[in-house]
Amino acid sequence: KAGVTQTPRYLIKTRGQQVTLSCSPISGHRSVSWYQQTPGQGLQFLFEYFSETQRNKGNFPGRFSGRQFSNSRSEMNVSTLELGDSALYLCASSLGGLVGNQPQHFGDGTRLSIL
Amino acid sequence: QQQVKQSPQSLIVQKGGISIINCAYENTAFDYFPWYQQFPGKGPALLIAIRPDVSEKKEGRFTISFNKSAKQFSLHIMDSQPGDSATYFCAASNSGYSTLTFGKGTMLLVSP
Repeated sequence: KAGVTQTPRYLIKTRGQQVTLSCSPISGHRSVSWYQQTPGQGLQFLFEYFSETQRNKGNFPGRFSGRQFSNSRSEMNVSTLELGDSALYLCASSLGGLVGNQPQHFGDGTRLSIL
Repeated sequence: QQQVKQSPQSLIVQKGGISIINCAYENTAFDYFPWYQQFPGKGPALLIAIRPDVSEKKEGRFTISFNKSAKQFSLHIMDSQPGDSATYFCAASNSGYSTLTFGKGTMLLVSP
């Protein structure tokens, strides 16, 4: 069974640009969560999508947004990039549904560098 | 923001020794506590998880100990091997949400 796939693996952007990251969850998983990982702040939750609806949102500015498609694939967009947005962006998928605490499985992330 | 505090920040253990990583949480609504292992260039991989209705869970060389009254839980790696050298994260969530709150991580180095 294929794992969580994130594309691209690496991205270099400049300040002010925008970027879109993609995540394909494990087959059958309907929940997709996004996390930002930095050396200083560690792993921080961005948002979670389930059945094309944002179900939870972390404490990030509105420049960070996402969406989920009917096939459960998800995209994350960051607009007006800032130097502090340089990070590893991780996507995790789980079965989701009404039963909480389904194990979350992570992809290998997209490394975003802002120049 | 609800926190999960993890210690130590780094750990060096000899091959064959026991590695112990500790976490403490504040939110009493947390009822799911997973541990993740992360190698450089890779995403976190789920190792083992526990719910507060049990005090201990063992899977192979990995054991979680859970103390509900103290709001603490720990990961024990028995017979540590050089291949266990990685960063370990504890996390917590509650049944109503899929959001994981992570500790800051522990870099484990197992010396040959």
